[in-house]
Amino acid sequence: DTEVTQTPKHLVMGMTNKKSLKCEQHMGHRAMYWYKQKAKKPPELMFVYSYEKLSINESVPSRFSPECPNSSLLNLHLHALQPEDSALYLCASSPDGGGTSSTDTQYFGPGTRLTVL
Amino acid sequence: GEDVEQSLFLSVREGDSSVINCTYTDSSSTYLYWYKQEPGAGLQLLTYIFSNMDMKQDQRLTVLLNKKDKHLSLRIADTQTGDSAIYFCARGDYKLSFGAGTTVTVRA
Repeated sequence: DTEVTQTPKHLVMGMTNKKSLKCEQHMGHRAMYWYKQKAKKPPELMFVYSYEKLSINESVPSRFSPECPNSSLLNLHLHALQPEDSALYLCASSPDGGGTSSTDTQYFGPGTRLTVL
Repeated sequence: GEDVEQSLFLSVREGDSSVINCTYTDSSSTYLYWYKQEPGAGLQLLTYIFSNMDMKQDQRLTVLLNKKDKHLSLRIADTQTGDSAIYFCARGDYKLSFGAGTTVTVRA
């Protein structure tokens, strides 16, 4: 099973709302990732968790707050977002820890389409 | 310039072969990847090639790697309408560098 699931599929929120995106994998992978993708563009890395610890933050604004409660779950908490944050948010996972130079193959979820009004 | 470059569009007739090309500048990665993205969907891993290989074949997909020229290609044999999508090449280890994506349109 190479499935990464994400909920919700679509989310519409106002600039004053607080919401969360959820990602889950049951492949025993030890690294999990959040990406942001604008239309017709490649994904941009936001965060990497390796063995449940945050290993990379690509200078993402603090209105995005990641959380890794356990090795299977990854959340992205959203607060006070701007309209330009509207995008497809993709979660991915890979077998290895992700914090070394070893190679990982990343498997992506279907994404959450976020619209900020 | 960008680390990974791809042509942006490819139009192919159904049943023909498609070839999507990618060039990169940093050759330090162990693997290079091809991902497919259909409209409104996430990225689907199609195939990958280890950097010490020249070719990998997987059913209708053939990946060629020219390390000297830093050129990667994906050939899709007998292209079908379901192959219409954006194809991204990527290199890297845990931090992937993606190309801009090639939009493949299959016409009847």
